[in-house]
Formats: sequence, structure tokens, C-alpha cells
Amino acid sequence: DAGVTQSPTHLIKTRGQQVTLRCSPKSGHDTVSWYQQALGQGPQFIFQYYEEEERQRGNFPDRFSGHQFPNYSSELNVNALLLGDSALYLCASSWRRYTSGNTIYFGEGSWLTVV
Amino acid sequence: AQSVSQHNHHVILSEAASLELGCNYSYGGTVNLFWYVQYPGQHLQLLLKYFSGDPLVKGIKGFEAEFIKSKFSFNLRKPSVQWSDTAEYFCAVKRSSNTGKLIFGQGTTLQVKP
Repeated sequence: DAGVTQSPTHLIKTRGQQVTLRCSPKSGHDTVSWYQQALGQGPQFIFQYYEEEERQRGNFPDRFSGHQFPNYSSELNVNALLLGDSALYLCASSWRRYTSGNTIYFGEGSWLTVV
Repeated sequence: AQSVSQHNHHVILSEAASLELGCNYSYGGTVNLFWYVQYPGQHLQLLLKYFSGDPLVKGIKGFEAEFIKSKFSFNLRKPSVQWSDTAEYFCAVKRSSNTGKLIFGQGTTLQVKP
């Protein structure tokens, strides 16, 4: 058990709809990052949250947004879904205080299928 | 921009064969390096990591990796693979000053025949 929990595990949405994915970080971690893993590809960094603010962002459009709550849990929102958004969405957590030596832990992911 | 290249996309080995998966990265500064494994239907699990010190790092399940700074490489090795090692393997790098942004390679699918 990685300690990072995500929900839902699977979901199917229609093009144009909006989706919200949720993540609870490993106990003691305060930083949450989101990744998109398309079939046959490595995970790609979407963004990172710390102290309830977006701190870093990868090459993803504004349709992808997020939020972090005071208890460090996080949500990923995707608006105006496209077929190409179909992927495994991974949440990762870490402890910001130790930047050079911290390990990043991943959840099991949320499989999103857009039809 | 940082990038990670895994040269072997699909590797097929027989049990007891030796394994070496290549990983090269592009970044001139201080980095942390990781190998993650993803077994079918499971989440990404950390195999091993390099932060500093001895460039030969040992991980779980008999895996090891060697960091060669001059070659920007972090190759994964295992002397004798088992059928249970069948999985997807990902090399990843992050700047040591960064807390959570990992750059992943596209992965190597390892199939071990019994």
C-alpha cells in the first residue's frame, strides 16, 4: 500500500463534460503533484500544489485546474473533456521540507475514459 | 528542458537471464534519479533512487543501478530475472532542488518467459 489514495478508480465521461478527481496524500506529506499517463507512455507532470497554491505547472492547458485543501488533500479538475484526455491520472505526494532527499510516492491512479 | 530517454522499449528475456535497461537524461545541474516499476494493474512503485554518494545503488528485489555522471546515465541492472519481474519500468529524474516534478522516460516493457 503506497499510502496515497485516489478516487474514483475508474470513470467514463462524455466529450465536453467536466471531471473531478480526488487525492489524499501519504500521511505526513504536504505536497501533491498530478500526472497524466497516456497508454504506452510515461507519466507527464501536470502541476504541483503546496500550501494550497499551484507552485509548478507542466505543459497542460488551462482546462486542467486543481485545488489543495488545508488537510493537504487535492482535487484535479478537467473541463471541456476531449477524447485525448483519456488516460490514467496519477497523484503523487512528497514532503516539501526535504527537497533533495525526499521520495515521491504514487497512488494507484484514476482511469478516465472519454467517449 | 529536461528529458529522459529509455532506449529499450520492449525487452523479452528468459528466466535467469541478466537484465540491463538503459536510461539517459539531459540536465546539467544536480539531479535525483529514480527507477519505478509498474506491475500489471498496480501503481507505480519505487525500485531504487539516487540522491548522492555511492553511484552504485541497490534497490528492492535484487535490482541495482549505476549513476555515471559523465554519461548522464542511470542504467538499471539485475543479474538474474524472474517471471515475476514482468512489468513496465520507468526511469525518472528531478532537479535536486525540486520537490515533486519528476520527468519520466517513456518506459520499458519487460517480458520474462518462464
